[in-house]
Amino acid sequence: DTEVTQTPKHLVMGMTNKKSLKCEQHMGHRAMYWYKQKAKKPPELMFVYSYEKLSINESVPSRFSPECPNSSLLNLHLHALQPEDSALYLCASSQVGSPRSTDTQYFGPGTRLTVL
Amino acid sequence: QQQVKQSPQSLIVQKGGIPIINCAYENTAFDYFPWYQQFPGKGPALLIAIRPDVSEKKEGRFTISFNKSAKQFSLHIMDSQPGDSATYFCAAVTGTASKLTFGTGTRLQVTL
Repeated sequence: DTEVTQTPKHLVMGMTNKKSLKCEQHMGHRAMYWYKQKAKKPPELMFVYSYEKLSINESVPSRFSPECPNSSLLNLHLHALQPEDSALYLCASSQVGSPRSTDTQYFGPGTRLTVL
Repeated sequence: QQQVKQSPQSLIVQKGGIPIINCAYENTAFDYFPWYQQFPGKGPALLIAIRPDVSEKKEGRFTISFNKSAKQFSLHIMDSQPGDSATYFCAAVTGTASKLTFGTGTRLQVTL
């Protein structure tokens, strides 16, 4: 079952709010990712967790704070966002294989975030 | 730096036509090439993928052709349907799956 779930589907928040996005996978994957996607653009990598440890932070502003409570869950905590942060936020997961693995990332449906 | 170039940016075909989307890469460290299909407001869904030691792969109406010497690969959609209207992203994986590079995307519209 190649399924990654994300909640909520839609989120509207003010610039002073604190909210969280949630992601869950039950594929036994040990790598999880957060992406940001603007309209008509490919997904842009934000964070990578490997074995529940943050391994990549693509210079994302501190108003975005990731958390990986266990191997199946990934959260993205949001605080003091700007209107330009409005986008589709995608979670993905994958195996953490040896080099020359033939696996790739599997994406969730996304959370449409609007910052007012 | 754009490491995977994708064309065309948009494509309109009639139902039953065969849209072709092309991608090219320069990094020879890429060793797996997935294609994703994305409908508006949804996440990208893995459609089909190919290893560089294979020249062609078919899954249903979707076919990937791969030319390793030219560092190019393409997606063909046979007997296209209006339901295939979506954005298609080619991608390339380096080593483990944690390194995924996307193309710029192609918006496909299949008309009746």
